[in-house]
Amino acid sequence: GAVVSQHPSWVICKSGTSVKIECRSLDFQATTMFWYRQFPKQSLMLMATSNEGSKATYEQGVEKDKFLINHASLTLSTLTVTSAHPEDSSFYICSARDPRTGDTGELFFGEGSRLTVL
Amino acid sequence: KNQVEQSPQSLIILEGKNCTLQCNYTVSPFSNLRWYKQDTGRGPVSLTIMTFSENTKSNGRYTATLDADTKQSSLHITASQLSDSASYICVVTLSASKIIFGSGTRLSIRP
Repeated sequence: GAVVSQHPSWVICKSGTSVKIECRSLDFQATTMFWYRQFPKQSLMLMATSNEGSKATYEQGVEKDKFLINHASLTLSTLTVTSAHPEDSSFYICSARDPRTGDTGELFFGEGSRLTVL
Repeated sequence: KNQVEQSPQSLIILEGKNCTLQCNYTVSPFSNLRWYKQDTGRGPVSLTIMTFSENTKSNGRYTATLDADTKQSSLHITASQLSDSASYICVVTLSASKIIFGSGTRLSIRP
């Protein structure tokens, strides 16, 4: 079946540095990918919708200059947490929809990336 | 008020027992309703997907039901196993860009 891969699965960084997380669709081309943030014991919170070849659409309250999203190809979207602070520590998950299943078809999630900012 | 509400928030049952998780939604109509299983520290994995017109869908020991009249969905787990310990998330898709997540139910299976 379709697979979405995230890398790295976990990362520890110092405060003030930037961290890049990659999301790849392995066996389908995704014009749209979604980025979520998840706090402990809470559900996924949509941060932004990544659109191939155009600017990402951010949800209300999400700082676009803080969370840079680039969707340079049909199989890769990246989320860069810039000038990370401890409060940015969280579990970040991406998802993509297999276009072969239609606009509202199966949504596949990556394995998630655990970010810890010291 | 959340448009997709799940209950209970958490549940503990003994291995081998059955359980039912609930999902109440206010949005209508929708394209589909999915149940996902999320293990701790992992991404969600799809269990079932139902369109607005479907009433039930099974996947092994997991059976999802949908009642469009009462706007309720349930996920029934039969003969629970320790590996069923996870969060279960109800997700309603309104459109390609509008997806609403429930807050999830944390299920713990005890030996």
